[in-house]
Amino acid sequence: DQQVKQNSPSLSVQEGRISILNCDYTNSMFDYFLWYKKYPAEGPTFLISISSIKDKNEDGRFTVFLNKSAKHLSLHIVPSQPGDSAVYFCAASSSYDAGNNRKLIWGLGTSLAVNP
Amino acid sequence: DTEVTQTPKHLVMGMTNKKSLKCEQHMGHRAMYWYKQKAKKPPELMFVYSYEKLSINESVPSRFSPECPNSSLLNLHLHALQPEDSALYLCASSQEQGFLSYEQYFGPGTRLTVT
Repeated sequence: DQQVKQNSPSLSVQEGRISILNCDYTNSMFDYFLWYKKYPAEGPTFLISISSIKDKNEDGRFTVFLNKSAKHLSLHIVPSQPGDSAVYFCAASSSYDAGNNRKLIWGLGTSLAVNP
Repeated sequence: DTEVTQTPKHLVMGMTNKKSLKCEQHMGHRAMYWYKQKAKKPPELMFVYSYEKLSINESVPSRFSPECPNSSLLNLHLHALQPEDSALYLCASSQEQGFLSYEQYFGPGTRLTVT
């Protein structure tokens, strides 16, 4: 059962416009969320994170919004640039055991294409 | 320095070979991870080391054997692999395995092909 869902496998936007990538989760124990960007044949690159005590976190062109009641988060990229074309993974984390060990639960990714 | 390095970049091995993948980080991170990634899929967690002790083993077959010689190094020893083990193997590290210090930084990966 997929606990972290990215329902759009792909997204295409025009350069300069806003890109909105969505992520839904089912486990209410998740308390930390991360977005990663991945180019082909490279490791994922950490982009931005948000803890469950916040509803928004901003870093330059990237903003993540968290709606806990809807179990939904979104990544906004403004303005979108051709170099943003990549696969974006949403990941969530909760405490794995009593020692607060954690692991990430990943979505399947959304492939973003930013067209010049 | 936010870099995680992995060697080799590419590896081709037969099913009877023994090889090792290496990972190194100098960020002072105390948690290190091995992931396996197939095309168009998210990374799949294999092992986690926290303070040089094995913290998580995701029921990985024994033909994969992790080792953490010190806080900066992580190895993955491979023996008698199967063709379906061909994948991109990613190493990652994070400050700790706990809350709010959990951003993982990934290396470029080792592309493994088992023939």
